[in-house]
Order: sequence, then structure tokens, then C-alpha cells
Amino acid sequence: EDQVTQSPEALRLQEGESSSLNCSYTVSGLRGLFWYRQDPGKGPEFLFTLYSAGEEKEKERLKATLTKKESFLHITAPKPEDSATYLCAGAPGGGYNKLIFGAGTRLAVHP
Amino acid sequence: GAGVSQTPSNKVTEKGKYVELRCDPISGHTALYWYRQSLGQGPEFLIYFQGTGAADDSGLPNDRFFAVRPEGSVSTLKIQRTERGDSAVYLCASSFTGRNNKAGELFFGEGSRLTVL
Repeated sequence: EDQVTQSPEALRLQEGESSSLNCSYTVSGLRGLFWYRQDPGKGPEFLFTLYSAGEEKEKERLKATLTKKESFLHITAPKPEDSATYLCAGAPGGGYNKLIFGAGTRLAVHP
Repeated sequence: GAGVSQTPSNKVTEKGKYVELRCDPISGHTALYWYRQSLGQGPEFLIYFQGTGAADDSGLPNDRFFAVRPEGSVSTLKIQRTERGDSAVYLCASSFTGRNNKAGELFFGEGSRLTVL
């Protein structure tokens, strides 16, 4: 069964304290690995797509990496506005129409 | 509007009642998706439309759930004989065609929060 597991469930950081979020996946014929950000009361917002092991993508203070079994979202020198839930999702082989989401990591960055 | 629009934003209903949730996708997006998100969980796939047709409805939990997209734009998710376990946020998303590598880049609406008493 396709599954995506994220850890930790929650993470509290001080402003400027770098850390990483983990996404472990078992998704048959993975076509792509996606990261989304979700603010309270809002829908998820697309961040990155990774297609193959070794690939990296960056955006401001965020960098996503992918191996054959897991993905990491590295947050460098976070700011309070980076506080959100970060969701990881895998697209199984056969198309991108059904994303398998993890439960997310709730990140809180305190000044 | 520029984004995916969902109405109502909140719906409170009684067990056994019928509910309709509406989604207006981004203009030009041919693919439309419905997901359901329970508290503390990630979104769970329900159904995917390519144009007017439901290309994959494997995520619909049972036959009380049905969705339509008659003109290839606006979609309605319909829930009959609602149960307390149906309470969740129902998210709609749209994207460019579901067949290329942009398809996983979903644009989500803010969701419709359904509460069944």
C-alpha cells in the first residue's frame, strides 16, 4: 500500500535556528515527490516537485532533496513567517492525478 | 477571480441531510480534484476530473458521495444522507492537464468546512 510518513509531527524553532523535516515514502513507481505549505484555515500551497533521487530544489530559505526512500525539507535561518504546516506528497506510477499526502509537520518559528 | 473558489466556506448540517459543495477552478485548468482533510491529517484524494469526465473516482468512500463537472469548469461535490464521520474540510484543486509533469502542481482553494451534527 502506498504510504507517506512525515516526521516530526511538530517542530518548534527559534528564529535563525536551521533544521530539517523528513518525509519517508513507499509509493509504487513514484512519478514525483511534492512539497506543499499550508497555513491555518487555508488550502495547501505548492512549493516544490522532485522527480529523481539526487535532485534538489531551492526557494528562499527552503531546500528540498530526494533519495530513493525519503525527502528532506531543509529550512535555513527560519523566520516567524515560515511557521506553517509542511506537507509532503507522492504521485504513484500511472499519473499525477492521485497524490498520497503525509500528515504534515507543524512548524512554529519563534522570534 | 485569480484562484480556486469554493463555496460555502462553512456548512453545518444535521445527520441524514443532503449537502452540495461547489468549486470554481482557475480559468484554463482542465484538471480538477477533490480532496478531504480531517483534523491533523493530510488531504485524502476523492476524485479527479479531466474536462467533463471523472477520470478517477477511486477515492470516493461510498455511494453517498458523487461529483459532477457538467461543462468542464465548475464542479459540485454531492453528499447524500450525511453522517457525523463526513465532517471534514473538503478541498478542491485545479491544475493544467493531468498528463504532464506540471499536473502535480495543484492550486487549492481554501476549502469548505463541513460539520455534521
